[in-house]
Amino acid sequence: KNQVEQSPQSLIILEGKNCTLQCNYTVSPFSNLRWYKQDTGRGPVSLTIMTFSENTKSNGRYTATLDADTKQSSLHITASQLSDSASYICVVRYSSASKIIFGSGTRLSIRP
Amino acid sequence: AAGVIQSPRHLIKEKRETATLKCYPIPRHDTVYWYQQGPGQDPQFLISFYEKMQSDKGSIPDRFSAQQFSDYHSELNMSSLELGDSALYFCASSSGGNQPQHFGDGTRLSIL
Repeated sequence: KNQVEQSPQSLIILEGKNCTLQCNYTVSPFSNLRWYKQDTGRGPVSLTIMTFSENTKSNGRYTATLDADTKQSSLHITASQLSDSASYICVVRYSSASKIIFGSGTRLSIRP
Repeated sequence: AAGVIQSPRHLIKEKRETATLKCYPIPRHDTVYWYQQGPGQDPQFLISFYEKMQSDKGSIPDRFSAQQFSDYHSELNMSSLELGDSALYFCASSSGGNQPQHFGDGTRLSIL
């Protein structure tokens, strides 16, 4: 069983609409959770980082939430743009270690 | 701002050949990570270095080795290349184990 699971695997929405991506994890002990955006063939770019004590963090049109009790995180994208088309990867880090676990990502496509 | 530099950007090799990928971290970053991303797959953590010492090891095959040099750049050495080694190899750097990882654009390795 994957330690970091994301849903949906893929999502297509119209430009201007909102969407929410989900990440569930079982990593323990937990240090932090990051959401990355990865354009095809490029390195992932960090969008937000959530630590154990944080439950909401925004970065422009991106808002991430974290429920450390249920081990769930979400990434909400508002007023989507064509440039939002990418893979969104949830990455969870073990505490006191450099090891991180990648989710399988959600492939988001924005249609005009 | 300076980013993580990887070279070469593209590399074509034949089976059983060797390859060396290079990674130049962001200045003053002391930690380097290597990831392998196969076609349509999630990035997989290979190995990391902190202050020139291996800090963590992931799914790196025995045919691969890596090191971090005194100037903090890192090299991933790959021998007896196999078709399955064809992938995008990402390097990331950070200023510590719990700090954001900044990714390079990757080296695309193709094995013929």
